[in-house]
Amino acid sequence: AQTVTQSQPEMSVQEAETVTLSCTYDTSESDYYLFWYKQPPSRQMILVIRQEAYKQQNATENRFSVNFQKAAKSFSLKISDSQLGDAAMYFCAYRSARTQGGSEKLVFGKGTKLTVNP
Amino acid sequence: GAGVSQSPRYKVTKRGQDVALRCDPISGHVSLYWYRQALGQGPEFLTYFNYEAQQDKSGLPNDRFSAERPEGSISTLTIQRTEQRDSAMYRCASSYRSAGGGNTIYFGEGSWLTVV
Repeated sequence: AQTVTQSQPEMSVQEAETVTLSCTYDTSESDYYLFWYKQPPSRQMILVIRQEAYKQQNATENRFSVNFQKAAKSFSLKISDSQLGDAAMYFCAYRSARTQGGSEKLVFGKGTKLTVNP
Repeated sequence: GAGVSQSPRYKVTKRGQDVALRCDPISGHVSLYWYRQALGQGPEFLTYFNYEAQQDKSGLPNDRFSAERPEGSISTLTIQRTEQRDSAMYRCASSYRSAGGGNTIYFGEGSWLTVV
């Protein structure tokens, strides 16, 4: 079974600075997807960024980028120019890419609470 | 609808009562998922459907939990004989299609269940 580990329960960053959130995962599969979700105080679940395991190029979405290290099974999220609105819980998640016999479920880590200080 | 809609948003029930949580997915979405999220934890998979077929129910914790999606649209998660440990947010999600695993999953705002 796949597992996702977020080793930083809490992180803080100064506004306009850069912060990196860590995520490691364990899987025996070679084809999968990785995601970062944001959960603000409103408790919505918002997709921030996703990465296909077969792509070597790291995904980027505006101020958000990932450092995907497949061999190390590491998937960190970098937030540049942090804004007050970035304050939230951030969840890393894994999903199999198998179309036959694979599970459709997302496997989540326990989350990292990010505080942005003005 | 515009997004995944869940009801009720908040439910307080007495231990031993049955509860039904409803999910209305985004129109046209084939796949529907149920997750449970305890305070301070990440969402935990419960079950999912493609159309009306329940494809995976491996995450349902015990036989007090069941889910259905009889017409391939709206889904109901039912918890029988509720216990205090069932208190959590129950979140529904949907995606347009299931094959390949890369389709974006859209989450609803969740139903908070408190068992007293």
